[in-house]
Amino acid sequence: VQLVQSGADVKTPGSSVKVSCRVSGSTPSSFHFSWVRQAPGQGLEWVGGINPMLGTPRYAEKFQGRVTIVADKSTTTGYMELSSLRSSDTAVYYCARVAHRPATPRAPEEYYFDSWGPGTLVTVSS
Amino acid sequence: SNEVTQPPSVSVSPGQTASISCSGDELSDKYVCWYQHKSGQSPVLVIYQDNKRPSGIPERFSGSNSGNTATLTISETQAMDEADYYCQAWDNRFVVFGGGTKLTVL
Repeated sequence: VQLVQSGADVKTPGSSVKVSCRVSGSTPSSFHFSWVRQAPGQGLEWVGGINPMLGTPRYAEKFQGRVTIVADKSTTTGYMELSSLRSSDTAVYYCARVAHRPATPRAPEEYYFDSWGPGTLVTVSS
Repeated sequence: SNEVTQPPSVSVSPGQTASISCSGDELSDKYVCWYQHKSGQSPVLVIYQDNKRPSGIPERFSGSNSGNTATLTISETQAMDEADYYCQAWDNRFVVFGGGTKLTVL
């Protein structure tokens, strides 16, 4: 599996950015991905994810109302759009393929990232 | 959503065993995974489902999860293991990352 992301971008405060992630080597039925970011000097932070087979994205509470994650099953390409950008949104944004297994009577639900893209640097500066 | 806590840093001598903890309420009721993140690279999954290693991850990486604390153990630590390590759980349909632990191999 390879995840190919769009290139670095520079945005001004208040604008929006859209980052893409094409997943090759994955069947549409296993095309389930998330976005994770890392700001300079900070840790990993989940932004949100989508399972295109189910359609409904899920967003971290912090980004609710500012982020939109969509996916095109036919091209196995995902997109993350973040609006109302501020300088604190300056970060490397990674897409990651999700391994998800629902809970069973004997095991908890499982959701983790088994492949990662190279990252896209988004710089927000006036 | 729940929070999980990691120590900011751990130091280990080459060839010794490093242990990195990840604590959180009811953590033992969830699956925990671990990522290795080296500067300038993408994160790499090293442990999933508490204690399973993906293909290609050396046997010296192991994991456990009990008593609300998950632990990543690296035996016979090598210089190449120096990196940031993050634990991650799935809690109430949200991803939760620990704050990360910088492993220094002295």
